[in-house]
Order: sequence, then C-alpha cells, then structure tokens
Amino acid sequence: EPEVTQTPSHQVTQMGQEVILRCVPISNHLYFYWYRQILGQKVEFLVSFYNNEISEKSEIFDDQFSVERPDGSNFTLKIRSTKLEDSAMYFCASLHARQGSAFFGQGTRLTVV
Amino acid sequence: GESVGLHLPTLSVQEGDNSIINCAYSNSASDYFIWYKQESGKGPQFIIDIRSNMDKRQGQRVTVLLNKTVKHLSLQIAATQPGDSAVYFCAENGNQFYFGTGTSLTVIP
Repeated sequence: EPEVTQTPSHQVTQMGQEVILRCVPISNHLYFYWYRQILGQKVEFLVSFYNNEISEKSEIFDDQFSVERPDGSNFTLKIRSTKLEDSAMYFCASLHARQGSAFFGQGTRLTVV
Repeated sequence: GESVGLHLPTLSVQEGDNSIINCAYSNSASDYFIWYKQESGKGPQFIIDIRSNMDKRQGQRVTVLLNKTVKHLSLQIAATQPGDSAVYFCAENGNQFYFGTGTSLTVIP
C-alpha cells in the first residue's frame, strides 16, 4: 500500500540551528501539506503546496519556515533558526485530488534544546 | 475565525460497547468532512469521510453522521475494541484540513 514517508523520525537540534525535515509523498498525489502537533495538542496546519508553489499558509508559517519540492519526489520543510517552541511533531501529508482524504506520514519529532 | 472543535476531550467505554464521538464545526461553507484516528506516536489515519450532500455514511464498524442544521458531526464505533483506543479528530476540507481538538478514547477491557 502506498504511504507517505518522513525522515528523520526524530531530530534533536540546538536553538538557532537550521533543520530540514524531509517527506516523500505518495507518487501520484498533487497536493502536499505540512502540519505540526505540539505534545498533547491538536494537529495544526502550517502550509499547503500545489503546482510547485505555496497555495496557502497559516500564521504559524512565518519567515523562518520554507518549503521546497526540489526533485519531483521529495517535499521538504526548512526551519531557518529554530526556537524552543518549534519543538513538536511535524507531519507531512499528501492528497491526490482536490477533495479527498489526505494521507499522513508517521511524523518527525523535532526537539529543540 | 472558523474553527472545528470537539465537545468532549476524553471518553472511556467498556469493551464491546458502542462509542460516540462528537464534533462541532463553524464553517457553514465546508462541504467535506473526515474522521481521523491517531494512535500514540503515529500520524493521523483516515477512518471515514462524508460529503455535505449526505447525512450518514457507514463503514466497517464505524458510522459518521452529519447534521448540517446544527453543524455537528459524530463518529459512532460499534462494539468498541481495545485497538480503538486512540485520539480521534474530525477535520473539514476547505482549502486545507482544519482539525478539531481531538477526543481521547480509552477502551476498558
């Protein structure tokens, strides 16, 4: 069964450092998303990506965040200068059609120390 | 702003009983809703969806009910099993998925 894969599963980084979280969406999907989930809280939308550009972003997704789809298969989330409050699970999701269920990866746990 | 929220944060049920998890939404323009299950340490998994032109949809042991008049969704799980213990989120698909706060379901053996 096709699945969304994310790497690494756990990333520990020093405050102020840059991190790149990687995702491989399902191959024939067209819409891509990043979400985050702070421990014990709800899943929060960060950004959606379609046709090689950001289609929507939340207020969480500030100038410290960026996304890329560099090679047609990977979908990355970069945080330029991490803060303690960036510690969370980050989920990538992909969607085939405009309306449908998004498939989520297993997440990357980011710990900023 | 628009929000999707849940009435109860936690729910405990006896194994074999039916579970009902509720969700309220406020965006009257939403036309597609999904229930996700999230087990500890994992990403959300699709359970069932429903479009706004339907009131009810059934899956295997799960039923989703949509009441557009009061903007309310519910997920019914029949004969709840220990493996159903998880956090359940409702989500609406506008331009992206808005998730509710989640209900933690605990099944007591």
